Amino acid sequence: SYELTQAPSVSVSPGQTASITCSGDKLGDKYASWYQQKPGQSPVLVIYQDTKRPSGIPERFSGSNSGNTATLTISGTQAMDEADYYCQAWDSSIPYVFGTGTKVTVL
Amino acid sequence: QVQLQESGPGLVKPSQTLSLTCTVSGGSINFPGYYWTWIRQHPGKGLEWLGYIYYSGSTYYNPSLKSLVTISVDTSQNQFSLKLSSVTAADSALYYCARARQVVGYYYVFDYWGQGTLVTVSS
Repeated sequence: SYELTQAPSVSVSPGQTASITCSGDKLGDKYASWYQQKPGQSPVLVIYQDTKRPSGIPERFSGSNSGNTATLTISGTQAMDEADYYCQAWDSSIPYVFGTGTKVTVL
Repeated sequence: QVQLQESGPGLVKPSQTLSLTCTVSGGSINFPGYYWTWIRQHPGKGLEWLGYIYYSGSTYYNPSLKSLVTISVDTSQNQFSLKLSSVTAADSALYYCARARQVVGYYYVFDYWGQGTLVTVSS
């Protein structure tokens, strides 16, 4: 089965850039999405189709996907960005697979 | 604004069938371009896609659970449902319903989620 691996945690200072990576075999050949989940809340889509932001998602969220790694970047991180982030991959050969999740702490 | 709300028993006995319903408001379930989805999250863990259904009744299930999962739709009630058979303690989780929106081809993203309902499997 297809697996996506994320670092368990990332720490970032307010105003700095947070990079959250997601690794999977030939992930760059698939579409990557990213979901933000704050404590006690449902996930929210923040990036889809590798680089696109849904309406209402701040411009400080951006994405990339190449080779075996997809990356979610939060520029100018704010305290409100503290959450768990899950990557998710899709192509026609695999079901919707989610990554293991990364907890972002804003120190 | 589309809203989804899960409902069903919070406690299920082992070997029995877990049954949940998702009620959709603010939009019709009977509309092309969307799949209606069930996703679960074990406590403190990640997300697992269980499957989804089109308004026409076409279904796709996670292969790891395919023989145990059934998703159905009732367009007259604007609801869709999940049945998970022969449950064990490992099926205790927070169950979400969500809307999958078509992006391109067969690529969909989950753009609206319910608040989730906690199901515990215990005798």
